[in-house]
Amino acid sequence: GEDVEQSLFLSVREGDSSVINCTYTDSSSTYLYWYKQEPGAGLQLLTYIFSNMDMKQDQRLTVLLNKKDKHLSLRIADTQTGDSAIYFCAERRGSGGGADGLTFGKGTHLIIQP
Amino acid sequence: EPEVTQTPSHQVTQMGQEVILRCVPISNHLYFYWYRQILGQKVEFLVSFYNNEISEKSEIFDDQFSVERPDGSNFTLKIRSTKLEDSAMYFCASNGRGLGISYEQYFGPGTRLTVT
Repeated sequence: GEDVEQSLFLSVREGDSSVINCTYTDSSSTYLYWYKQEPGAGLQLLTYIFSNMDMKQDQRLTVLLNKKDKHLSLRIADTQTGDSAIYFCAERRGSGGGADGLTFGKGTHLIIQP
Repeated sequence: EPEVTQTPSHQVTQMGQEVILRCVPISNHLYFYWYRQILGQKVEFLVSFYNNEISEKSEIFDDQFSVERPDGSNFTLKIRSTKLEDSAMYFCASNGRGLGISYEQYFGPGTRLTVT
């Protein structure tokens, strides 16, 4: 079955890079996602990557995918206090149809130290 | 920018009562979803809906749950007889702009359901 694992906490200093890691089990996953949740708010889609890609960059965000090891990471460059949130990794369930739901990890709490 | 909206933001109900959680997906999206997040746990998929019928449902989505798109804009989740363990944050999501498949699922802010 599908399962997504993440570390629960990550603490970084402001201005440093943050790297949030995720492992997944479903080798047939077609898309993998990163969502951000700020306190009291919903899930904000940050970025996603198709399984035939190794890397995707979007401004301060870099996603790396190692399909062989089923490992996904999100790097946030120049981490700011506004980046403090819970970051969820998710994989697309099913065979890639439009109605496929997502399987989420437990989320990584990113803590920014001044 | 278009967004998914949900009402109410917080619903308190007594065990055994029926609740309806409401969502307005992004206009012209074709695929709709409900997820839930029990406090401190993972966000869990409940159900997906397309073309006025359920496409996929998880083992959580039992006979106590139902979904409906009563008109062109709303998407609802009904829990017939709530249990204490139904207390959670319920998220609605949508995707699919117009034709074809979009892989970007957009989530609403959630409805916090508290069953007492």
